[in-house]
Amino acid sequence: DAGVIQSPRHEVTEMGQEVTLRCKPISGHDYLFWYRQTMMRGLELLIYFNNNVPIDDSGMPEDRFSAKMPNASFSTLKIQPSEPRDSAVYFCASSWTGGNSPLHFGNGTRLTVT
Amino acid sequence: QQPVQSPQAVILREGEDAVINCSSSKALYSVHWYRQKHGEAPVFLMILLKGGEQKGHDKISASFNEKKQQSSLYLTASQLSYSGTYFCGTRGVTNFGNEKLTFGTGTRLTIIP
Repeated sequence: DAGVIQSPRHEVTEMGQEVTLRCKPISGHDYLFWYRQTMMRGLELLIYFNNNVPIDDSGMPEDRFSAKMPNASFSTLKIQPSEPRDSAVYFCASSWTGGNSPLHFGNGTRLTVT
Repeated sequence: QQPVQSPQAVILREGEDAVINCSSSKALYSVHWYRQKHGEAPVFLMILLKGGEQKGHDKISASFNEKKQQSSLYLTASQLSYSGTYFCGTRGVTNFGNEKLTFGTGTRLTIIP
């Protein structure tokens, strides 16, 4: 099992540019989560999907953020336009159904917006 | 509604014990514990379900007191490999199948030789 795969590992972009982060969950997992981690706010849940359907996007900070899951093996998180305050590490995680299922995290994407 | 962890940071000598606490303001269905090393992703340690459950994993164990809405992580005879930031994650009692996992503020643990 390859685990959760995220790309790119690092992204440096200028303010105003569009950024797309990608995630491939573990095969068979039906939940997918996008988290953002900063020193100030810790690990924040942005949005999560169940069977490719967005369930809760209340953590998405602004309309500049959008996420999609077109199929069970792929999800994207897009920021357009990007701002310096979006700089953070973005993690994707997946899990099985159930409140007692652990989350498996990808290695994250470190985003720097200058 | 983010669970609060204490202490925020702790420094131990190898072989010493530590306790990390996690408190929530809402009723809990389950508590997760994860460890994150610098520059890496969080890694799952254990899950505790409501009912006063206690679990152990090598020399790391945890308890869950649902009445107090608290969980504690116990690290005994700490090893250098235990260094990292520990996060609790909580799920509420309603809609547990759909409830999002909310992470605590984190506790940074440093083990020195």
